[in-house]
Amino acid sequence: QSVLTQPPSVSAAPGQKVTISCSGSFNIANNFVSWYQQLPGTAPKLLIFDNHKRPSGIPDRFSASKSGTSATLVITGLQTGDEVDYYCATWDNSLSAVVFGGGTKLTVL
Amino acid sequence: EVQLVESGGGWVQPGGSLRLSCAASGFTFNTYSMNWVRQAPGRGLEWISYGSYTSVTKTYADSVRGRFTISRDNARNELYLQMNTLRVEDTAVYYCVRGLEYMESTVTGTRWFDSWGQGTLVTVSS
Repeated sequence: QSVLTQPPSVSAAPGQKVTISCSGSFNIANNFVSWYQQLPGTAPKLLIFDNHKRPSGIPDRFSASKSGTSATLVITGLQTGDEVDYYCATWDNSLSAVVFGGGTKLTVL
Repeated sequence: EVQLVESGGGWVQPGGSLRLSCAASGFTFNTYSMNWVRQAPGRGLEWISYGSYTSVTKTYADSVRGRFTISRDNARNELYLQMNTLRVEDTAVYYCVRGLEYMESTVTGTRWFDSWGQGTLVTVSS
């Protein structure tokens, strides 16, 4: 059971918008959140850092925000290639460790 | 182009040891903090260790503290993970992951992970 709670799965139709939540506690409230995308059998890729910033090369279809003890990843204009796993992460002061959410599998219907 | 290439994975019996290596290229290795993150088969991501660019600060997850040791050789551009007293639950793909530049503390050095290796599989089984 992860310290950060993500829905195991979300789904939406191509072209639509989907949101993935990441619920935590003081960990998210007091630290930066990052998001990662992982295609099957490959290494994760950084999607969002410092709560809402996108690395170069990440399309603006991907956006994120943080409020209180929760963070949210929003993907608009869904494409079949977005149908992979997404993870949130942050520092947990109580555990003195980086914690990841359990991951969310996105299905593009 | 940043490249991180892990090696050293394989099969080991419970209680055994293994040393993972990560060869870094395409960036100034000695200015970046580095991490190890693992993923058990069919499971999520688990951060297990951080090492600052100076090697002064080393941090571990509870699950591996006292058994695993992170180290680096800046002259060789290599990161290592010495894994002792391995358990069945240590079975996972182990990723070498770049942290932030010129950060000493774990909190700031792990704000994001922008480059990942392809991973090396460690199987602990009798």
